[in-house]
Amino acid sequence: KNEVEQSPQNLTAQEGEFITINCSYSVGISALHWLQQHPGGGIVSLFMLSSGKKKHGRLIATINIQEKHSSLHITASHPRDSAVYICAVRSWRDDKIIFGKGTRLHILP
Amino acid sequence: ETGVTQTPRHLVMGMTNKKSLKCEQHLGHNAMYWYKQSAKKPLELMFVYNFKEQTENNSVPSRFSPECPNSSHLFLHLHTLQPEDSALYLCASSQDKGGGLAYEQYFGPGTRLTVT
Repeated sequence: KNEVEQSPQNLTAQEGEFITINCSYSVGISALHWLQQHPGGGIVSLFMLSSGKKKHGRLIATINIQEKHSSLHITASHPRDSAVYICAVRSWRDDKIIFGKGTRLHILP
Repeated sequence: ETGVTQTPRHLVMGMTNKKSLKCEQHLGHNAMYWYKQSAKKPLELMFVYNFKEQTENNSVPSRFSPECPNSSHLFLHLHTLQPEDSALYLCASSQDKGGGLAYEQYFGPGTRLTVT
């Protein structure tokens, strides 16, 4: 079992829908990242979280340290949001970076 | 455009070839990273350099040889690769004192490598 689990693995939604992608982890962490990878392969770092909530445009990321859970929300989704969204954490235990397998999001026009 | 460039974007090489991947960052960062992304697998951190010194090597085979001549440039030298080394190789940089995700990382577009 991965120490970082994302759900769902794949998500298809209509333009305009509210999107939620979840990340659960089983290790103590110093920070959690949400990354966006477009079909060409390039990765953009969306958020870095250690507590609470962050918002950037239509993107919102939350983290609950006690529950070891983070969510990435997209409001008013658009086809250009279609990408793979990756959750990653740095473990306190061995200082290693652990990546989730990603959630493939497809927004239909 | 993230300020991190990688060349080439695509590379096909035979198992006996020697090639190099190049990464350059224009952000004034201190740390640079190589990642490997294989199909249907999570990203894997390969190497971390901080102020030109290698601070992490995550059990990467010796057929991958990194080089960091200065804080702005990072190379990955490849020799006698195997077909299972075919993957997307991503470079990233950050303003980071120790490497890793404690600080925000900026990624390049990646080099898609195919080993035949």
